[in-house]
Amino acid sequence: GIQVEQSPPDLILQEGANSTLRCNFSDSVNNLQWFHQNPWGQLINLFYIPSGTKQNGRLSATTVATERYSLLYISSSQTTDSGVYFCAVVGGADGLTFGKGTHLIIQP
Amino acid sequence: KAGVTQTPRYLIKTRGQQVTLSCSPISGHRSVSWYQQTPGQGLQFLFEYFSETQRNKGNFPGRFSGRQFSNSRSEMNVSTLELGDSALYLCASSLGINSPLHFGNGTRLTVT
Repeated sequence: GIQVEQSPPDLILQEGANSTLRCNFSDSVNNLQWFHQNPWGQLINLFYIPSGTKQNGRLSATTVATERYSLLYISSSQTTDSGVYFCAVVGGADGLTFGKGTHLIIQP
Repeated sequence: KAGVTQTPRYLIKTRGQQVTLSCSPISGHRSVSWYQQTPGQGLQFLFEYFSETQRNKGNFPGRFSGRQFSNSRSEMNVSTLELGDSALYLCASSLGINSPLHFGNGTRLTVT
């Protein structure tokens, strides 16, 4: 099945900093989504972005499908941005495959 | 619009028992999928239903099963529980195949 790798695995930043999270995938995909899991375990959909660029407030994402990667940008980080960020893809007949996530800690 | 609702939120079961988890999708969503999250294996796809038909199944033993009703509500069942089945079980709904997923708060299952 398709492989999804996320980097970095852990990231600690000060409030106000910017960050870039990366997601590499091993095969062509027709569905790529970014999620944020908060400390209470809830998964929130950030972007549905199989290709192109999208922005939502301080967050933006870019997927370059031909090069098999996606980037999530977080600007002016806030403590509420802490949590785990997952990239998930659908390739072929498989269901959604998740990466192992990036654990982000924003310190005040 | 109400979000995805999962019940119960917490469950404690004994090895060998069986359990049924429930998921009510967002109104109008016909696709429901289930995921298992553990510290060791991360988030893993269990199965997906669309209009009462199982469309995809992950790599889990036959003890894990599910179904979807005509109102799109879904249940998953785990029989002969093992300690390793302890996990957070998440349900998600979407309009269709290539649509954003919306997750419920999950059911935390502990098997003792």
